[in-house]
Amino acid sequence: AQKITQTQPGMFVQEKEAVTLDCTYDTSDPSYGLFWYKQPSSGEMIFLIYQGSYDQQNATEGRYSLNFQKARKSANLVISASQLGDSAMYFCAMREGPSSNTGKLIFGQGTTLQVKP
Amino acid sequence: AAGVIQSPRHLIKEKRETATLKCYPIPRHDTVYWYQQGPGQDPQFLISFYEKMQSDKGSIPDRFSAQQFSDYHSELNMSSLELGDSALYFCASTAWGTSSGNTIYFGEGSWLTVV
Repeated sequence: AQKITQTQPGMFVQEKEAVTLDCTYDTSDPSYGLFWYKQPSSGEMIFLIYQGSYDQQNATEGRYSLNFQKARKSANLVISASQLGDSAMYFCAMREGPSSNTGKLIFGQGTTLQVKP
Repeated sequence: AAGVIQSPRHLIKEKRETATLKCYPIPRHDTVYWYQQGPGQDPQFLISFYEKMQSDKGSIPDRFSAQQFSDYHSELNMSSLELGDSALYFCASTAWGTSSGNTIYFGEGSWLTVV
């Protein structure tokens, strides 16, 4: 069963506007971590933001914020003030278990974001 | 800041040949992961190491093997290469048991093309 679901294969956003990329997950482990990565066309995988299942507040990193709704099992990425350089593939990923373990990441299918000038 | 270093960045091999990918984790990171990303696919977990011991195994073919050395660098050995092995191979690292374990950093990847 798919544990990470990204339902938006592709998204468009106008430069300077905000955009939300959806991610839902499925796990029975009470302790887990959620990650977002950006993959430009050049291929590298860039870490953006992390949210732990026990974190009380939504994670923020600069223009990136994570809208974490635990009861709904969703961890949407919000990018504010989009820039042309934000055009890329975005992956949501989950690691089950506490951050102190070496659990692997399970990735969603990805969402391609295109920022229009 | 130092990042995860992978080499080579690109390689082309013929079918049935052997390839070796190398990964140098971020200093003081003791956990290494290998992922394979086919064209248009999400990354698939292959194998991971913690403190030079294999910690988890995913969909890694028997033709592939990997290890982590005393200096924490890791190598992925791929033999009897097939066309379907053409992919982007990522190494990632983290520091187990620390708050840094909340972040898993990836290298820039190694592009393998099998012809």
